[in-house]
Order: sequence, then structure tokens, then C-alpha cells
Amino acid sequence: AQTVTQSQPEMSVQEAETVTLSCTYDTSESDYYLFWYKQPPSRQMILVIRQEAYKQQNATENRFSVNFQKAAKSFSLKISDSQLGDAAMYFCAYRSGVAETSGSRLTFGEGTQLTVNP
Amino acid sequence: DSGVTQTPKHLITATGQRVTLRCSPRSGDLSVYWYQQSLDQGLQFLIQYYNGEERAKGNILERFSAQQFPDLHSELNLSSLELGDSALYFCASSASTGLAGGRDTQYFGPGTRLTVL
Repeated sequence: AQTVTQSQPEMSVQEAETVTLSCTYDTSESDYYLFWYKQPPSRQMILVIRQEAYKQQNATENRFSVNFQKAAKSFSLKISDSQLGDAAMYFCAYRSGVAETSGSRLTFGEGTQLTVNP
Repeated sequence: DSGVTQTPKHLITATGQRVTLRCSPRSGDLSVYWYQQSLDQGLQFLIQYYNGEERAKGNILERFSAQQFPDLHSELNLSSLELGDSALYFCASSASTGLAGGRDTQYFGPGTRLTVL
């Protein structure tokens, strides 16, 4: 079974600075997808960014980018120019590309609580 | 707004009772997923339906059941409730079974907060 680990329960960053959240995963599959979801105090789960394992290029969405190291099974999220609205719990998630055996379930890490200081 | 709706937002009930949580997926999405978020277990996948049929099962208790109706809305039934069932229950939807790669992003509803007293 796949596992996702976020080793940083809490992180903090100053407004306008850059922060990196870590995520590692364990899988024997070669085809899979990785995601970062954000959960603000409203508890809504919001997709931040998605990475396909077969793509070597790191995904980028505005101020959010990832560092995907497939061999190391590492998938970190970098937030540039941090804003107060970025304060939230961030979850790393894995989805198998082999839908026939496991459907499309997401396996989540434990989450990292990000605080943005003004 | 993800386009996924869940009702009710909050539910307070007693141990031993039965409740039904409802989810309407985004327009056009055929897959519905249920997740449970609790303090001790984190975010866990419960079950997936695709176009009315069960697609995958996760850590779903036998006291829990779900179904997806012809209009694609889904219901999660929780029975013989225990204190430990108190959690935030999310529904998510996606366009396909997962075979379509990048199109299969899951979008989450706002969740139903269940409190069992």
C-alpha cells in the first residue's frame, strides 16, 4: 500500500517570504499522480497543484511550485511571496495511475499547518 | 466554490442513531468519493462510486454504507453511531474513473461535520 509522509507538523513564514513544505511517499508503482491540497480555517479542501509522475518538468501554478524528485520519492511545495491568505493546513496526496486495482482514491499525508506572520 | 454540494453542513446526534449524508457532484462528474477526516485518523478514503456502481472501497466500517443514484448524487449512511464516528465527512467528485489521467482531479465539497454525543 502507498503511504505519504509529511514530517513537518507546523511551519511558519513571514509575509512576502518563501517557504517550502516537505512530502515523501512510498510506492512500487511507476504511474501515479501527486497533489497538494490546502485546507483553510473554513475546512474546505482546495486543490493547489498537481504533478503527473511521468512528467519530468515540475508543476507551477502562480506563486506555487513543486520540486518533484521521483527517484527520491519526494514532492515538496514551494510558496513564493507568501500572503496572509496562504495560512492553512496543507496536505500532500497520492493517487495511483492503476485505476483498475485501486480506483482513484487519494492517500493523504498528515498535513502541515502553515502560519503566515505579518 | 468547487461545485460540489453537501448537506447538511452540521449534524449532531446521539450514539446508536443512524444518519444520512448527501452529496451532489459537479455537473458532468460521474465519480463520487467519500472521505473521513478525524483528529486521530487524519484524512481517510472511504468509498468511490462511478456512474452508480461501487468502484473502490477503503477503510469503511460495516456500519457505513453508500450509494450513488441515477441522477449521480450520492448518500453516505452511517448507522449504530459511536463517539468515534465524530468527524468531518467530505464528498469529492471527478470526471472519470481515473483512466483519463490529468482530467481526473478530485474537487471537494465543503464537508458535513458530524458530532456524536
